[in-house]
Order: sequence, then structure tokens, then C-alpha cells
Amino acid sequence: QQQVKQSPQSLIVQKGGISIINCAYENTAFDYFPWYQQFPGKGPALLIAIRPDVSEKKEGRFTISFNKSAKQFSLHIMDSQPGDSATYFCAASPNFGNEKLTFGTGTRLTIIP
Amino acid sequence: EPEVTQTPSHQVTQMGQEVILRCVPISNHLYFYWYRQILGQKVEFLVSFYNNEISEKSEIFDDQFSVERPDGSNFTLKIRSTKLEDSAMYFCASSERGQAASRDYGYTFGSGTRLTVV
Repeated sequence: QQQVKQSPQSLIVQKGGISIINCAYENTAFDYFPWYQQFPGKGPALLIAIRPDVSEKKEGRFTISFNKSAKQFSLHIMDSQPGDSATYFCAASPNFGNEKLTFGTGTRLTIIP
Repeated sequence: EPEVTQTPSHQVTQMGQEVILRCVPISNHLYFYWYRQILGQKVEFLVSFYNNEISEKSEIFDDQFSVERPDGSNFTLKIRSTKLEDSAMYFCASSERGQAASRDYGYTFGSGTRLTVV
């Protein structure tokens, strides 16, 4: 029940295309859903986060879509750029992010020219 | 921008030896965490620390692990007798209490310490 399932494991997208990564959760106590971007040798960096009172959040080229009834959320990267090539992790936490994060298994995104 | 600082960046130790991983969280943060990431796998929660005590720990965080905030700035993870399977990237993180959701700052992670047990 604590798991966060993430797909796909890896993704190759052409420059300018849309990258879509999906996550699903079981634990209804989760109420904070961040996405992290990780470059090799670095720690995860917060990209964008959403709470279940909204269905979508957009920051620049990054959008989170959230479906509370399906317990699913996804990250969309519009106009994907080679600099977006990284590993992306979804995560979830109860108590508005003040408790531990449960991470998804990660998606290695590669943007090709 | 404030950072979480971790030292050393890479530590090699012999099996059975004790290691201490060090972290300096962001100064006004009140929650502190250790996570680990085995090569190529997901990030896993180890322990959270608030108000000078452990608030939650995972099954991974057994009697071989301990955490301490020895002064007002450092936060350490000690592994008493390292095993080969402790080889991983260890990340320290910190967050502001009650602020994470309102500002969407979430956690700030350090760059990690790569621990190699030989």
C-alpha cells in the first residue's frame, strides 16, 4: 500500500516533443505529490509538486496532471530539450510533505536531437 | 539559493568498519532526513529527525544505523559495522515544518555521499 508505481522505466523523445511519465499510488493518506529530477552524480532536485485539491499544475514547460479518483498523476514535459535528459522520480507523502517521501522507481528520459 | 551540504562526496571503507556521513542542512529547516539509493534503483527512506529525536525510521534503519545532531548545524548518519550491501549513495535532506506544501519547496536534497564497502 506504500508503493508508488512509475512507468515507463525509460523513455526516448525527440527534441521538441512531449515527454509523459506516469505514476500511480494506493495509499489514500498521500496528499503531496512532487516530481524530482536527478542528474548523474547529483541529488534529486524538486521540479514541481501538486496537492490533491487541484487537478493540474503548470510551471513553464512542466505540467502535473492529477486524477484523485484513479489515484494517478503524471508529468508532462512540453517542447522537450536535450537538457531535460535526466532521471525523473515521482514521489508521494502524507501530511503535506512533512513526512517521509515514498519514491517511484524512476524514469530515465533521453531527449534526442 | 540555500543548499544542503554533504561530506565526504565519496567514502570507501572495509566491511565491518564504522563510517560517519556528515550533512549540514539548510539553517532554518527543522526536519532532517536520510535516504539512500542503491546504484540504478529508487531512492529509499531511511530515517527522519525532528526536535532532536527520530520521528520515523524504515526497516532498513536497523541497530547498525544511528543519527545525531551533535551541534546546531550538523546532522550525521553513523553505520556501526558496514556490510557490502550498505554500498549506496546516501542523501541527506531537510525541509521546513509546515511550509513545504504552502510554498511547494518540498525537501532540499544534498548531492550525496557515495559509500563503497569493500
